[in-house]
Amino acid sequence: DQQVKQNSPSLSVQEGRISILNCDYTNSMFDYFLWYKKYPAEGPTFLISISSIKDKNEDGRFTVFLNKSAKHLSLHIVPSQPGDSAVYFCAASTPDKLIFGTGTRLQVFP
Amino acid sequence: ETGVTQSPTHLIKTRGQQVTLRCSSQSGHNTVSWYQQALGQGPQFIFQYYREEENGRGNFPPRFSGLQFPNYSSELNVNALELDDSALYLCASSGPSSLAYEQYFGPGTRLTVT
Repeated sequence: DQQVKQNSPSLSVQEGRISILNCDYTNSMFDYFLWYKKYPAEGPTFLISISSIKDKNEDGRFTVFLNKSAKHLSLHIVPSQPGDSAVYFCAASTPDKLIFGTGTRLQVFP
Repeated sequence: ETGVTQSPTHLIKTRGQQVTLRCSSQSGHNTVSWYQQALGQGPQFIFQYYREEENGRGNFPPRFSGLQFPNYSSELNVNALELDDSALYLCASSGPSSLAYEQYFGPGTRLTVT
């Protein structure tokens, strides 16, 4: 039972353009949603989060949008940079754990 | 500020053996969670420790067990290793100095079971 889904395993974007990573969830009781970035041989790094009572949160080049009626969230990266190339996981928070999607590999090319 | 550290980095074990993985939490954090990440998958929650007690558990069998020590460091023990236990094991810490839902991960221990 996959409660958090990332249906795009990979995304390729040109440097300077917008990257949009998508995530769907099934449980309306999640209270926070988070995005993590993971480089090879490193643990996931926290990127940005959003409360379930908000619909947008922005931090520099990163913006997360939450559409509760569609049970969908997205991460926008503008402008994309080569250093953004990594695997991005969305996660939903419950009181004791994070539930992760399967990840989207983002490649930003020059 | 010291981040989350894990040891060892890599480990190779034989089916049926036992393994202990270690984690030191980020300074100021009192909660430790363990996750298993299989190839091509997202991290899966194993369990969480708070004040030396198990505070939640995912869908893992009892041969996965853990400990948390007074200094908030933690161990993950896996008995009777199976081939499917081969994965990256991630430790994450959180606590009063961060928002409770934000977990900070270590680099992981890569376990290979042959």
